Amino acid sequence: SQKIEQNSEALNIQEGKTATLTCNYTNYSPAYLQWYRQDPGRGPVFLLLIRENEKEKRKERLKVTFDTTLKQSLFHITASQPADSATYLCALRSGGYQKVTFGIGTKLQVIP
Amino acid sequence: EPEVTQTPSHQVTQMGQEVILRCVPISNHLYFYWYRQILGQKVEFLVSFYNNEISEKSEIFDDQFSVERPDGSNFTLKIRSTKLEDSAMYFCASSEVQHTGELFFGEGSRLTVL
Repeated sequence: SQKIEQNSEALNIQEGKTATLTCNYTNYSPAYLQWYRQDPGRGPVFLLLIRENEKEKRKERLKVTFDTTLKQSLFHITASQPADSATYLCALRSGGYQKVTFGIGTKLQVIP
Repeated sequence: EPEVTQTPSHQVTQMGQEVILRCVPISNHLYFYWYRQILGQKVEFLVSFYNNEISEKSEIFDDQFSVERPDGSNFTLKIRSTKLEDSAMYFCASSEVQHTGELFFGEGSRLTVL
């Protein structure tokens, strides 16, 4: 069956360091991989999208990589700040379909 | 900035009662979704809707669920006979473009079934 795996344990990181979150998937051929941020009790907020034929995407302090051979995406936040503390969700979408499937998310805690 | 709005923010109901959750998607968006998130679990897809019909639905979206776009702005999720396990946060989302399809979510409606 299709699976999206994110490290559901919290990631604690010192302010100013780079946070790296991992998303692995199996039995899936996503055309698009997306990352969202979710704060407690709130709806997910879209951050970045990367297509299957792209290796890397950047937006301000965020960087996403996508390796379709390894079936893995890495999400980096450079110069992390306490305000970056949240749960980060990986989401996959196959071409031609509307459905976006989410992983359970990784909770990031940036310590001042 | 345009946003997806959902009402009510919290609803408490008795098991077996019908519930309608309402959403106003972003006005120029064409694709609409309902997701749910049980406390501590992942955001789960329920249904997608385009051109006034369901385009995809999950196994969770059984006969007790229905969706409707009764006018040009609202998008509703009806749960006909609620069960305890329907207690969750329900998120509405909309999308402008299908193929890249970044989703814009509302703040959610928390449903508590007693």
